[in-house]
Amino acid sequence: QQQVKQSPQSLIVQKGGISIINCAYENTAFDYFPWYQQFPGKGPALLIAIRPDVSEKKEGRFTISFNKSAKQFSLHIMDSQPGDSATYFCAATLIQTGANNLFFGTGTRLTVIP
Amino acid sequence: DAGVIQSPRHEVTEMGQEVTLRCKPISGHNSLFWYRQTMMRGLELLIYFNNNVPIDDSGMPEDRFSAKMPNASFSTLKIQPSEPRDSAVYFCASRPDRGPYEQYFGPGTRLTVT
Repeated sequence: QQQVKQSPQSLIVQKGGISIINCAYENTAFDYFPWYQQFPGKGPALLIAIRPDVSEKKEGRFTISFNKSAKQFSLHIMDSQPGDSATYFCAATLIQTGANNLFFGTGTRLTVIP
Repeated sequence: DAGVIQSPRHEVTEMGQEVTLRCKPISGHNSLFWYRQTMMRGLELLIYFNNNVPIDDSGMPEDRFSAKMPNASFSTLKIQPSEPRDSAVYFCASRPDRGPYEQYFGPGTRLTVT
């Protein structure tokens, strides 16, 4: 059973546009929601994360929007750049268990066209 | 710090052979994780260790897979005998017990079983 569902599978955006990736989770006990960015040939790296006590977190051009009642969260990339082209994974976990078991979404391959 | 180190980066082997993947976590990190990444199933947690002790191996697909962490600076993931369906990218990640919940991923080992 997929604990975290992610969409779309792939996304093509023009340079300067907004990229939006959506995730939904099942377990209401999850209390930490990170996004990882993966470039080809590299391991995933933490991009930004949010706790469910806030509805939004922004770091530069990257924003997480969180809807606790709908059990959904999304990543918005403003002013998308070709260098943002990568695969993005959302994830969820429980801090009370040590945040060790990260449940990943299936990933979104983002391509930003110059 | 050099980050998480994995070896080999690429491994091609024939079905039935034994395969050993190696990982050196970041110094001072208490937890170590092994993941498998495939197009079909995305990123799956296979097993994680805390202070060299296996904590959760529920993701290990079958008895052909085994993992060890003999000391704080070294871990292995062994597949014996290997099968074509084991072909995937295997990642090792580590994180400290204290501080942020970020997992630091290595560059991965691309395994091809023919």
